[in-house]
Amino acid sequence: QVQLVQSGAEVKKPGASVRVSCKASGDSFTTYAIHWVRQAPGQSLEWMGWISAGSGKTTYSQKFQGRITITRDTSASTAYMELSSLRSEDTAMYYCALIDLWGQGTMVTVSS
Amino acid sequence: DTVMTQTPLSLSVTPGQPASISCKSSQSLLHSDGKSYLYWYLQKPGQSPQILIYEASSRFSGVPDRFSGSGSGTDFTLKISRVEAEDVGVYYCMQGIHLPRTFGQGTKVEIK
Repeated sequence: QVQLVQSGAEVKKPGASVRVSCKASGDSFTTYAIHWVRQAPGQSLEWMGWISAGSGKTTYSQKFQGRITITRDTSASTAYMELSSLRSEDTAMYYCALIDLWGQGTMVTVSS
Repeated sequence: DTVMTQTPLSLSVTPGQPASISCKSSQSLLHSDGKSYLYWYLQKPGQSPQILIYEASSRFSGVPDRFSGSGSGTDFTLKISRVEAEDVGVYYCMQGIHLPRTFGQGTKVEIK
């Protein structure tokens, strides 16, 4: 049974960067397309980008281009999402997801 | 971007009664392989989203058969034949063919 386990909650100041990790269990990591989706409090879901865990190829939403970097470490079966130049509007729950399975979410709070 | 429009935005249902949610996309989700790449997710209170339906009408493993999806192209529907108390939460549709991936606004289902 595949599981996606994310890193813990973060509190950051405006202008800082945050990196969230997503560790996949099982032995099929390189077959995964791992998406990153965020959800601001009380809002809908917003797709940020994805990575092919096998090739490392990434695609980002234009909205986050220049601020987001998604990487993966195949030896650790872990994907990472880094978001820079944080502002208060980036306060949200951040999820990694396969098309049929989501991580538990990582709350990122941006506050001075 | 592909706009996903869900209706209604909220639904109050008596247990045992049916419920229906519509999702319309601003672009066709029909692939040349004949499949429409439309997904339905349920986000229960305090939880991550969980998949219900993939490719418009295929029920994911373990999902009760009271859930069904239909539609093709731009118009899709999720039906719950007999709502149960455990079905409360917010239902989202997501298109999986155009970049960026986009979600509907969500439909909040509560029990009367």
